[in-house]
Amino acid sequence: DGGITQSPKYLFRKEGQNVTLSCEQNLNHDAMYWYRQDPGQGLRLIYYSQIVNDFQKGDIAEGYSVSREKKESFPLTVTSAQKNPTAFYLCASSWGHRDYGYTFGSGTRLTVV
Amino acid sequence: GQQVMQIPQYQHVQEGEDFTTYCNSSTTLSNIQWYKQRPGGHPVFLIQLVKSGEVKKQKRLTFQFGEAKKNSSLHITATQTTDVGTYFCAGSGSGYALNFGKGTSLLVTP
Repeated sequence: DGGITQSPKYLFRKEGQNVTLSCEQNLNHDAMYWYRQDPGQGLRLIYYSQIVNDFQKGDIAEGYSVSREKKESFPLTVTSAQKNPTAFYLCASSWGHRDYGYTFGSGTRLTVV
Repeated sequence: GQQVMQIPQYQHVQEGEDFTTYCNSSTTLSNIQWYKQRPGGHPVFLIQLVKSGEVKKQKRLTFQFGEAKKNSSLHITATQTTDVGTYFCAGSGSGYALNFGKGTSLLVTP
């Protein structure tokens, strides 16, 4: 079955360490997105990519980095520069045009201690 | 930038009562999408509205897009416990990624 996979489901890291969250899709979607979800804050856009080897910053990109070397993969690195990294991270994909619905992964809950 | 506001933030209803959540944008939207997130889950796409004044129905759910394409609503008739979750609207303006509202959390008690 086609879908979008995020791993791991739960992640614990010490403060000051970089951590990379995985996102893989086999839907052949062109566009991929990273959102951050905090209680009562909705979904806030971190980065998005419309095609391979190209990506754009979202509303809260500071302290994060991404790469898009393959169509299927869009990993997110949470760097030590991110001041408040503990959150629920959601990856999504779509056909690339804004008129298509997003398919979300099941998310990664990151806790930094 | 474009902002999408949703009200109410929370709603608690008895099973069988109706429920409505409202979404308002500061700018004209090219389309609006609605998603549902069950507790502990991830958002799932419900529907997209594109045309001014458009109304779409999915069983007990009715979605509307305002004439000015700046507001939208989701109405659930006769709620059931399976309707529990957070409902998000998401707007698409001039950018290529969706801007999500903060969501309305619906609690349904039997």
